[in-house]
Amino acid sequence: GNSVTQMEGPVTLSEEAFLTINCTYTATGYPSLFWYVQYPGEGLQLLLKATKADDKGSNKGFEATYRKETTSFHLEKGSVQVSDSAVYFCALFDSGAGSYQLTFGKGTKLSVIP
Amino acid sequence: NAGVTQTPKFQVLKTGQSMTLQCAQDMNHEYMSWYRQDPGMGLRLIHYSVGAGITDQGEVPNGYNVSRSTTEDFPLRLLSAAPSQTSVYFCASSYSKHLNQPQHFGDGTRLSIL
Repeated sequence: GNSVTQMEGPVTLSEEAFLTINCTYTATGYPSLFWYVQYPGEGLQLLLKATKADDKGSNKGFEATYRKETTSFHLEKGSVQVSDSAVYFCALFDSGAGSYQLTFGKGTKLSVIP
Repeated sequence: NAGVTQTPKFQVLKTGQSMTLQCAQDMNHEYMSWYRQDPGMGLRLIHYSVGAGITDQGEVPNGYNVSRSTTEDFPLRLLSAAPSQTSVYFCASSYSKHLNQPQHFGDGTRLSIL
């Protein structure tokens, strides 16, 4: 079946540091890949997505590239801010799997300190 | 535009009690779903619906019932609450069952079973 593995947290960074959160996946077909973000006390919201190999999703300074050869979709940001403190979830949707479900990773909590 | 609205925001139940978590969306979305979020487990899909009158089980359906009589509403029922159902519950909706489109999440219901 499908699965998503992302780096365990928590991750603590100083403001303006470089961020990488690793995400790898297993899928039977050709999935679409997503990063969702959850701010404290809120639901998840889509941060970025990529629907085919070599696509790069980007939003709010965050980027992730769909790497089919390494089955990865790592999240990066060049300079984090305190306001980026949140939990980040990698997810996939495999339209070839025959069911209409998103598969989520377990989440990585990021704390950015001034 | 309210998006996805969940009620109540907080609830405490005793073991064996029943209750319904409400979810409504005003975006005319075809797809709706319920997740539970537990520490270290990420989001796990309970049930989902691809349209009015159509529901299906997710990863962790036991102990929960759903129905979808209208496009707007997707209530989640706990028939006999157990302490293992203590969790944060999120409802989400999407324009299409083909989940290349973003899922829109509510702010969650925090449920404690004593």
